Amino acid sequence: KAGVTQTPRYLIKTRGQQVTLSCSPISGHRSVSWYQQTPGQGLQFLFEYFSETQRNKGNFPGRFSGRQFSNSRSEMNVSTLELGDSALYLCASSADTSSYNEQFFGPGTRLTVL
Amino acid sequence: AQSVTQLDSQVPVFEEAPVELRCNYSSSVSVYLFWYVQYPNQGLQLLLKYLSGSTLVKGINGFEAEFNKSQTSFHLRKPSVHISDTAEYFCAVRSTSGTYKYIFGTGTRLKVLA
Repeated sequence: KAGVTQTPRYLIKTRGQQVTLSCSPISGHRSVSWYQQTPGQGLQFLFEYFSETQRNKGNFPGRFSGRQFSNSRSEMNVSTLELGDSALYLCASSADTSSYNEQFFGPGTRLTVL
Repeated sequence: AQSVTQLDSQVPVFEEAPVELRCNYSSSVSVYLFWYVQYPNQGLQLLLKYLSGSTLVKGINGFEAEFNKSQTSFHLRKPSVHISDTAEYFCAVRSTSGTYKYIFGTGTRLKVLA
C-alpha cells in the first residue's frame, strides 16, 4: 500500500497570501488529521476529518480551515499568512476514529512565510 | 483535558549504551499511550503503544516502554542504541473514549554518538 502523500513538499509564500496544502491518505483510511510542527512546540493539533465531517478542532484561529472530499483526500487552507505560520504541516491518516488506532503520517509540507 | 510532558528536549548518548526517554502525562480520563519516532525529513512512525494488559510494551527496533499508572509515566527505553536511532521521539496520549484529539509532547531529540 502506498503511504500518506502530501503536496507540495516545500512552499514559500509572503505575508498576507493564502496557501492550500493537500493530503492523500492511505487507501481505505477514512480519518485524516492535520498538525503544525514547530521547533520547541512539538505537534499542535489543527483538525480531524472523518467521512467529510470535521470531528475535532484545535486551538487555531479561523484563518486555518480544512475540508475532506468523498475519496478521503483532504486539504487545509491558511489565509492571510503571518510569519508565525512558518512550520512543517503534517497530515496523518487512520482507518477510522477509534482511539486505539495508530496514525500514519506523511512526510509533511514545509511552509516558509517571508 | 490532557497534557504530555517530555522532560528532556535533547539526550546525547554513546553508541551501544542504554537510553531512557521520559514521558509523563496528565489526564482526568483513561488514555491510550503512544511513542512515535521522526527521522530527519520524514513524518512520524509508530514505535509502540499501550492499550491495556501488560504494562511493559515492546515495540519496533528493540524499543520498549513501561506504563506506570501511579506515576502517570510512560518512559521509553532501549538497552543498546545504534547510530541509526538518532531521531526525534514523541510521546502521545489519546482519550479511550475516542472523542478527543491526540495530544503530543514537545519531543526529545536523541543524538547517538560514535
